Amino acid sequence: KQEVTQIPAALSVPEGENLVLNCSFTDSAIYNLQWFRQDPGKGLTSLLLIQSSQREQTSGRLNASLDKSSGRSTLYIAASQPGDSATYLCAVSHSNYQLIWGAGTKLIIKP
Amino acid sequence: DGGITQSPKYLFRKEGQNVTLSCEQNLNHDAMYWYRQDPGQGLRLIYYSQIVNDFQKGDIAEGYSVSREKKESFPLTVTSAQKNPTAFYLCASSKRTSGRDTQYFGPGTRLTVL
Repeated sequence: KQEVTQIPAALSVPEGENLVLNCSFTDSAIYNLQWFRQDPGKGLTSLLLIQSSQREQTSGRLNASLDKSSGRSTLYIAASQPGDSATYLCAVSHSNYQLIWGAGTKLIIKP
Repeated sequence: DGGITQSPKYLFRKEGQNVTLSCEQNLNHDAMYWYRQDPGQGLRLIYYSQIVNDFQKGDIAEGYSVSREKKESFPLTVTSAQKNPTAFYLCASSKRTSGRDTQYFGPGTRLTVL
C-alpha cells in the first residue's frame, strides 16, 4: 500500500533563505507527483506536477525534483518571502484516478 | 472566470441530521472528487465520479452519499450514519481520471457537529 510522508511537519525560516521541503513515497510505480499549497482554511492550489518520466519541474522560484527509484521528491523554494507561508502538500498518482496524500509541511517565513 | 465553488463555507449540523454540501464547476471537467481533511492528516478520498450518472466509493465512503446528475455538479450528503463528520471537506475536479491530470480544488466547507 502506497504511503506518502512529509518531513518535517513544520518549518520556520527567516525571510530570504532558500529552503527544501521533502516528500517520500513507498511505491515507485507512480504516474506523477504533485505539489500543492494550502493557505489556512482554504482550498488547495496546484504548484507543480512532475510526470513519472521527468526529473524536475520549475515555476518561478519553485523547483520540484523527482527520484522515483529512491521514492523521493523535493520542493525547493528560492529567496523565501512571507507570502510563501502556507502548508505544502505532496501527492502521488497511481494507475487509477487516486491521489495518495502526505500530511503536509507547515511553512512559516519570518519577516 | 473558470473554477470550482463550494457552499456553504461553514455548516453546523445537529446529531442525527443529514446535510448536503454543494460543489459546482465550470471548467468542463469530466472527473470530480470529494475529500475529507482532518488536522495533521493527508486528504482522504470519499467519492469520485468520472462521468455523469456514475460514481465510485473512495477509501472512506461509509456514512456519505453523492449524486452526479449534471456534469457541473457533484453534491455530497453527510448522513447521520457518519459517526465523526466534523472536518474540512474539499471538492476537486480534473479533466480526466487518468491520474495524469492535475486536480483543481474548491475553497472547502467546514462542517461542525453540535
